[in-house]
Amino acid sequence: DTAVSQTPKYLVTQMGNDKSIKCEQNLGHDTMYWYKQDSKKFLKIMFSYNNKELIINETVPNRFSPKSPDKAHLNLHINSLELGDSAVYFCASSPGTSGPQETQYFGPGTRLLVL
Amino acid sequence: GQNIDQPTEMTATEGAIVQINCTYQTSGFNGLFWYQQHAGEAPTFLSYNVLDGLEEKGRFSSFLSRSKGYSYLLLKELQMKDSASYLCAAMDSNYQLIWGAGTKLIIKP
Repeated sequence: DTAVSQTPKYLVTQMGNDKSIKCEQNLGHDTMYWYKQDSKKFLKIMFSYNNKELIINETVPNRFSPKSPDKAHLNLHINSLELGDSAVYFCASSPGTSGPQETQYFGPGTRLLVL
Repeated sequence: GQNIDQPTEMTATEGAIVQINCTYQTSGFNGLFWYQQHAGEAPTFLSYNVLDGLEEKGRFSSFLSRSKGYSYLLLKELQMKDSASYLCAAMDSNYQLIWGAGTKLIIKP
């Protein structure tokens, strides 16, 4: 009965490869997020989707492309991986987009290492 | 610009009390969140404040002063399992969370 799940948990790959990370939530939430947490531990929002529609798109290289087939899934595809992409990527979800009920629930993270 | 400041690291003794401070500057304000993140794990929600004052939840309490742009997380009767990073995040007028870098709390026996 995992709330927010991500696969894979670990991803080691070579520079220049293309990879995808999948995220699913079974909480019935309307909003999903992708965050990047680098070695300095800052959580940086990358994208946010509400009911399959993009609502936040921070300054992220266009090598990163999110895709939401339905409101329970938000996948992240990364083209032409670079060394600087190495980080932990967290998926999160929240009930909606406004108000105190917007506590975000995080997935376990995907540890990406680009060699 | 929008900014969250909190200490990088703090050390405390098992059984003691520790206060982790956070100051914020955001475009508009819709509340202040505290999350706990154990090493190698995902952040988990601890508390939410939108009105001034103290919210108590067991051994953890969170305080907010909107006029000062200031919050703190108070942890009582510290246990070894409280060793973690504590992330402060403020919600701006667009309901977007602005995150601090986290305070790494080290508990010593």
